[in-house]
Amino acid sequence: GAGVSQSPRYKVAKRGQDVALRCDPISGHVSLFWYQQALGQGPEFLTYFQNEAQLDKSGLPSDRFFAERPEGSVSTLKIQRTQQEDSAVYLCASSLVGGSKANTEAFFGQGTRLTVV
Amino acid sequence: GNSVTQMEGPVTLSEEAFLTINCTYTATGYPSLFWYVQYPGEGLQLLLKATKADDKGSNKGFEATYRKETTSFHLEKGSVQVSDSAVYFCALFTGTASKLTFGTGTRLQVTL
Repeated sequence: GAGVSQSPRYKVAKRGQDVALRCDPISGHVSLFWYQQALGQGPEFLTYFQNEAQLDKSGLPSDRFFAERPEGSVSTLKIQRTQQEDSAVYLCASSLVGGSKANTEAFFGQGTRLTVV
Repeated sequence: GNSVTQMEGPVTLSEEAFLTINCTYTATGYPSLFWYVQYPGEGLQLLLKATKADDKGSNKGFEATYRKETTSFHLEKGSVQVSDSAVYFCALFTGTASKLTFGTGTRLQVTL
């Protein structure tokens, strides 16, 4: 596709339910980022992949959050036992390059809005 | 650590008015600075960037100058249009970090 695609666009989960959010990066992009954007806030970094390697997961807020990119393309962010504080927009971004330069050339998807009730 | 502070919104302007959205930062190391824009229902888009002191980033009539002495990267546009209504985010990264650090965003509303 032409851009970064995320699905679903909207997800409502009951508290305690597990959810999986998908990101399809731009074809051939090496770097992939996940960010969490709470209402009225700026995006907060969650994790970074270079190809299939998860090089930085320092932003994951708890061990309920898990991300994978097994073949170096599509990525899934999984949240186990969702809590109300997990309600946010989850953004995925990809970049053709790796390393720190990836941050200068990142393309963002439209995000998945997760609401935990 | 790194942080970005933006002026709170919403900023409401009439069409053709002059726009300034303030952004200041603190950073460990020598940051690159960015402005992103989020139009309603769309993803974040890079608007402009500057990678060293005194550089001016510009795009679509928007400009911002990297001011190291004041640690600022204010966004300006001489004449806004209704189509500029969006949320604007200031952001930075430093070479030691694998992530962008964003401000909280400033909503701009432009009316006829």
